Amino acid sequence: DQQVKQNSPSLSVQEGRISILNCDYTNSMFDYFLWYKKYPAEGPTFLISISSIKDKNEDGRFTVFLNKSAKHLSLHIVPSQPGDSAVYFCAASAWGGGGADGLTFGKGTHLIIQP
Amino acid sequence: GAVVSQHPSWVICKSGTSVKIECRSLDFQATTMFWYRQFPKQSLMLMATSNEGSKATYEQGVEKDKFLINHASLTLSTLTVTSAHPEDSSFYICSVNTRGQPQHFGDGTRLSIL
Repeated sequence: DQQVKQNSPSLSVQEGRISILNCDYTNSMFDYFLWYKKYPAEGPTFLISISSIKDKNEDGRFTVFLNKSAKHLSLHIVPSQPGDSAVYFCAASAWGGGGADGLTFGKGTHLIIQP
Repeated sequence: GAVVSQHPSWVICKSGTSVKIECRSLDFQATTMFWYRQFPKQSLMLMATSNEGSKATYEQGVEKDKFLINHASLTLSTLTVTSAHPEDSSFYICSVNTRGQPQHFGDGTRLSIL
């Protein structure tokens, strides 16, 4: 069973607008969440993370929101730029993020920024 | 610059061949590295945790005798796919655990077994 779910395989957004990528999880033990960005033929690149003690974390154009009661998090990118076109993976950890535990990933959402 | 180097990036070989993939931590000593596998349109699935100087920890359903992991130094972990078959064709990727920091990933290895 998929413990981290990204239900939108793809998302198309116009340049300059806000991109919202969603992620749901089922494991209550997860306490640290990450977003990775991946281009073809490259490994995932860390984008932003959030601990379960927070409900929002912001870094430049990227903001991650966490709703623990709904077991839902989202990544907001504003304004969206052509270079943001990539596959975005949501990942979760049950060890506070910095520990010796592997990550559980969603299937990814392919974000396409249209000019 | 790259934090994790993975080699080779692409391998095509015949069924029955054993293939070794290297994962190097370039900027720091890594006591723990992770190996993931991704099939098309699927998520990255954790295969095993590689611990320097000790045996790897495998996830449920991953055959330890088929996927041999060696973490002999603080900067190098290797994954050997033994007697590879077409169903082993996949994208294999490693990551490095840095204490208190998000995992850094290599660029992955595309393995194609004919």
